[in-house]
Amino acid sequence: AQRVTQPEKLLSVFKGAPVELKCNYSYSGSPELFWYVQYSRQRLQLLLRHISRESIKGFTADLNKGETSFHLKKPFAQEEDSAMYYCALSVTGGFKTIFGAGTRLFVKA
Amino acid sequence: DTGVSQDPRHKITKRGQNVTFRCDPISEHNRLYWYRQTLGQGPEFLTYFQNEAQLEKSRLLSDRFSAERPKGSFSTLEIQRTEQGDSAMYLCASSNRQGGEKLFFGSGTQLSVL
Repeated sequence: AQRVTQPEKLLSVFKGAPVELKCNYSYSGSPELFWYVQYSRQRLQLLLRHISRESIKGFTADLNKGETSFHLKKPFAQEEDSAMYYCALSVTGGFKTIFGAGTRLFVKA
Repeated sequence: DTGVSQDPRHKITKRGQNVTFRCDPISEHNRLYWYRQTLGQGPEFLTYFQNEAQLEKSRLLSDRFSAERPKGSFSTLEIQRTEQGDSAMYLCASSNRQGGEKLFFGSGTQLSVL
């Protein structure tokens, strides 16, 4: 069965510190992985997707098929990064996107 | 176009009542999804439409739940005989083939069943 695991419910870091939000997935096929973010009082929105290999707002994520992971990283956290982050998996040829339980990132001044 | 629109934003109802939510997707998007989110959890897939065809329903969607997208534009989600366990945020999302599976979400409808 497809599953997305985000082991940390809450991650608290100081401004300027590196941050890594962990995501592991379970899927036997070729996955498409995403990170979605929800800022306070805003709707859920796409942050980045692995096939784009892009950096958005300083965040990057690398798909590691051997470890079935897609961790989100940023070298220097900013206060405005405080938000709820969801890792998501879309199965090959499918239309169902499966979300993890989310990690709340709190960046302290 | 202001994105995916959902109505109402909040709904309070008594147990046993029927409720209906509406979702207006981004106009050029042919794919529409309903998700449910409870406190401390990520969105859970409920159902999916491609144009007017409902192509998949989750096992989470009991017989009391029904969704329609009659003209391939807006969609409605109805819950009959609501139960307290139905209390949740109901999210609608849309996408198009060009965007792959990038989902654009609405603000959601928060349902409280008393």
